[in-house]
Amino acid sequence: GAGVSQSPRYKVAKRGQDVALRCDPISGHVSLFWYQQALGQGPEFLTYFQNEAQLDKSGLPSDRFFAERPEGSVSTLKIQRTQQEDSAVYLCASSLFGQAGSYEQYFGPGTRLTVT
Amino acid sequence: AQSVTQLDSQVPVFEEAPVELRCNYSSSVSVYLFWYVQYPNQGLQLLLKYLSGSTLVKGINGFEAEFNKSQTSFHLRKPSVHISDTAEYFCAQGGNTPLVFGKGTRLSVIA
Repeated sequence: GAGVSQSPRYKVAKRGQDVALRCDPISGHVSLFWYQQALGQGPEFLTYFQNEAQLDKSGLPSDRFFAERPEGSVSTLKIQRTQQEDSAVYLCASSLFGQAGSYEQYFGPGTRLTVT
Repeated sequence: AQSVTQLDSQVPVFEEAPVELRCNYSSSVSVYLFWYVQYPNQGLQLLLKYLSGSTLVKGINGFEAEFNKSQTSFHLRKPSVHISDTAEYFCAQGGNTPLVFGKGTRLSVIA
């Protein structure tokens, strides 16, 4: 079956440009998470949706980061005025999140963002 | 706040030798623990999970982990590694909250 997909897989942006990263979760998964993984580090939580509601955005590093999931399915992470410190792999995960006792998160391949 | 500590950043091991990757978690009312593997340029794949019940958890690819509440540990083991096990391994704690990951352990299997 189809897993979590992300696009683009690679993105190079010049400092100051805006970027949009897309995540298609597994069909039927109500919960969607965004994580940021810097080089050589573990993933760090950015934000979380349950259906279309953004329940937690405490991990977003600045107000340049914005995420949405308007119809409770596809999500977009937008970064405005990119900075070099934004260079990282952005991972999306989806989950049934407690439904039927499942807490497992399924990850997409990630989008590698390089800001030059 | 939850925190996960992976005690070794790199573990080299010879092929067919046993390996243990160490992980300590932060104590909590509900403890849900996971081990993920990440191959180069790929996302995270779940190896195994502990939600409740038996403290010895078996996962894919011959890996297993033991939940130890008194030592707040969840170490990952494999009795005999293969070259194909070379990857980055992440321990994570979560459940009804977003996952908190350790910094990862790079397992390098040497022929």
